[in-house]
Amino acid sequence: GESVGLHLPTLSVQEGDNSIINCAYSNSASDYFIWYKQESGKGPQFIIDIRSNMDKRQGQRVTVLLNKTVKHLSLQIAATQPGDSAVYFCAEKVEGTYKYIFGTGTRLKVLA
Amino acid sequence: EAQVTQNPRYLITVTGKKLTVTCSQNMNHEYMSWYRQDPGLGLRQIYYSMNVEVTDKGDVPEGYKVSRKEKRNFPLILESPSPNQTSLYFCASSLVDGGVSSPLHFGNGTRLTVT
Repeated sequence: GESVGLHLPTLSVQEGDNSIINCAYSNSASDYFIWYKQESGKGPQFIIDIRSNMDKRQGQRVTVLLNKTVKHLSLQIAATQPGDSAVYFCAEKVEGTYKYIFGTGTRLKVLA
Repeated sequence: EAQVTQNPRYLITVTGKKLTVTCSQNMNHEYMSWYRQDPGLGLRQIYYSMNVEVTDKGDVPEGYKVSRKEKRNFPLILESPSPNQTSLYFCASSLVDGGVSSPLHFGNGTRLTVT
């Protein structure tokens, strides 16, 4: 598969546990944030998004938290499953533009 | 099925030989963009397009060209590829809906090797 994940931080969790992946974003003018999942050999897949007027949003088994004060974004995955193993990265969109800034990602390994 | 389709998935070429990577989306998205992904770096934008005949440079446009003659297609052209353009390339698209942001939808990537 593709080698983009060679130098990434890794989070290892037991199957069934909750996972928390963190992201520090860079631009205080960013107003829209997205979490992506990237499996080996595939393109980034949308997981969940959040706008800057919110601080929490929930999806199916996933929750995104936004702390604008410290420019921090987190992704929580409940009851982590083997199929959740992938690289996860955040993206921020600068307000008034269509410019996206992407994080480098975190590799999630789910241990059976 | 709504998707972004890139071709080819894998491409090996030699320095200086012009190539085109195609990208097509079937979601009627106005916005399309090309990124490259390299180890240890986040996705970096090469070029983007807000609509037909409207294109602009991203962060790393040198050595690349694009065109947007039709809404659904956004090919990436390397007129004279060099080894430093060896990378994994992604095309993406999204809606442009006034001030409301929508997520980018990505293709499955093109692995380019330039020798």
